[in-house]
Amino acid sequence: AQTVTQSQPEMSVQEAETVTLSCTYDTSESNYYLFWYKQPPSRQMILVIRQEAYKQQNATENRFSVNFQKAAKSFSLKISDSQLGDTAMYFCAFIRTGGSQGNLIFGKGTKLSVKP
Amino acid sequence: DTGVSQNPRHKITKRGQNVTFRCDPISEHNRLYWYRQTLGQGPEFLTYFQNEAQLEKSRLLSDRFSAERPKGSFSTLEIQRTEQGDSAMYLCASSTGGGNQPQHFGDGTRLSIL
Repeated sequence: AQTVTQSQPEMSVQEAETVTLSCTYDTSESNYYLFWYKQPPSRQMILVIRQEAYKQQNATENRFSVNFQKAAKSFSLKISDSQLGDTAMYFCAFIRTGGSQGNLIFGKGTKLSVKP
Repeated sequence: DTGVSQNPRHKITKRGQNVTFRCDPISEHNRLYWYRQTLGQGPEFLTYFQNEAQLEKSRLLSDRFSAERPKGSFSTLEIQRTEQGDSAMYLCASSTGGGNQPQHFGDGTRLSIL
């Protein structure tokens, strides 16, 4: 069975600074995708960034980038130039490819507070 | 693209009552997912559909839970004989194609059991 672990329940960062959120996962699959989702307070969950396991190059989306270490089963999210609007719960998620299984497996989340 | 729509946003009911939630996915999305999220936890997968076919339902929490997507468009999630432990946020998501495609989430339905 696959598991996703986020070891930082809460983090805070000053506006304009950089913060890194940690995520590790456990799987015996070789083909899978990893995601970071953001859930602002009382608002819907939105996709931040996606990484394909067979790609060695780390994904980037504007101020968001990941450090994907496949051998270590680590998938951290770096937020540069933090903005107040980045305040949210961040969830790391895993999905295997192939077969009929299509569900995301989520970690427990990290609550990020960006302070002015 | 009007996004994933869920109704109602909030549902308060007494223990033992039946409740039904509706999810309207993004129109061109053939996959629809249901998750449950309790306080302080990440979403937990319940079931999903590809078009009208329910491809995975073993994760439904008990036989009190059931879901349908009769015409491959909107879906309903029903909980019969609700219990206190059913209080949670119920999230719906939809996607195109295979499981690696990003899932787009709705605002959720918050269920409170009195």
